[in-house]
Amino acid sequence: EVQLVESGGGLVQPGGSLRLSCAASGFTFRNYWMAWVRQAPGKGLQWVANIKQDGDEKNYVDSVRGQFTISRDDAKNSLYLQMDSLRVEDTAVYYCARGRGAHRHWGQGTLVTVSS
Amino acid sequence: DIQMTQSPPSLSASVGDRVTISCQASQDISNYLNWYQQKPGKAPKLLIYDASNLEPGVPSRFSGSGSGTDFTFAISSLQPEDLATYYCQQYDSVPPTFGPGTKVDIK
Repeated sequence: EVQLVESGGGLVQPGGSLRLSCAASGFTFRNYWMAWVRQAPGKGLQWVANIKQDGDEKNYVDSVRGQFTISRDDAKNSLYLQMDSLRVEDTAVYYCARGRGAHRHWGQGTLVTVSS
Repeated sequence: DIQMTQSPPSLSASVGDRVTISCQASQDISNYLNWYQQKPGKAPKLLIYDASNLEPGVPSRFSGSGSGTDFTFAISSLQPEDLATYYCQQYDSVPPTFGPGTKVDIK
């Protein structure tokens, strides 16, 4: 069974940093593109970033480019999102998702709250 | 970025009704269009991929059609468990973008 489990969310002050993790199991992690998608409270879905199987290609939505860094460790079957210079508007549930086009598998999400 | 619009923003229908949701892309995306269902407090679930392909395990009352810029999602016979928000998503170009969602309520 495919499982994606996010962790690392929490309350952080504006300007702070957080590193989200996503532990994958039940499939050959190194064979898949992986992505982060977020959802602000009461709002819709926003794709944030993705990373190719070998980590050589990374894409970001404009609003987080230069602020967030996506990475992966295939030996640990893990996906990461380093979030720096956090702003109030980054408050959201962050989901990791498998795949490049269609996201067939999602984690349960981890809540990031940016507030003073 | 490609902008996605959906209509209506919300709808209320009775059990057994046919429900349709429209999704429009700001430019031609061929058939690179997915539909997701999100129930309250849950992660999204893929229902339809490549505009018209039903994801395995998804009930056949769900369907999708369209290509280019105009797409339609349908529930042939609404069930109580279909209470959710439905999103279209294009992946023709980066960044992939989602529509704003359509909230479906049961009368």
